[in-house]
Amino acid sequence: SAVISQKPSRDICQRGTSLTIQCQVDSQVTMMFWYRQQPGQSLTLIATANQGSEATYESGFVIDKFPISRPNLTFSTLTVSNMSPEDSSIYLCSVADRGSVETQYFGPGTRLLVL
Amino acid sequence: LAKTTQPISMDSYEGQEVNITCSHNNIATNDYITWYQQFPSQGPRFIIQGYKTKVTNEVASLFIPADRKSSTLSLPRVSLSDTAVYYCLVGGRGGATNKLIFGTGTLLAVQP
Repeated sequence: SAVISQKPSRDICQRGTSLTIQCQVDSQVTMMFWYRQQPGQSLTLIATANQGSEATYESGFVIDKFPISRPNLTFSTLTVSNMSPEDSSIYLCSVADRGSVETQYFGPGTRLLVL
Repeated sequence: LAKTTQPISMDSYEGQEVNITCSHNNIATNDYITWYQQFPSQGPRFIIQGYKTKVTNEVASLFIPADRKSSTLSLPRVSLSDTAVYYCLVGGRGGATNKLIFGTGTLLAVQP
């Protein structure tokens, strides 16, 4: 299994600002994902972070709002841009090995509150 | 991607066996069935995975009938610490399906 850390663990931000969330893995992994989980809801996949290329976004999520970087096989960032209160949520990253996407390991999440 | 259907919530008492059933009528040939557990304020945690028949590990058992259109997660002798949300997912191994879609999950509440 992989150990995943996220920074920050939580933050309170003003609307119109941006926040970058970091995800660090203790080993090299081929696949990294970013999810959003709103209070009391299930997880929604935002995008797949691809190493060396642009992220693959799910329907309803766009790069301008959620730019993602993945400079190497152990690190990724998700930026929540021009935030509004509707962006208040928990943001989670997860990792998996290619060919085993059904077995994912999740980070602890970042709790974001936008005022 | 195969959609899953689970009960929204279940109640149990300590020491009982809990069975959570998930329906996945449109499961594909190369899809595996995976269950995750999520405690409040934590990310989901992988519990168990199977393709057919029965799988058992130190945490749970997974029963999958021959037609694979449903599966049952069995938690033996639950304790208060098993109170969590349990998600059933289906997805393909070998890159055929390159993402997981989480359904609503089942909130299991274990009472003393």
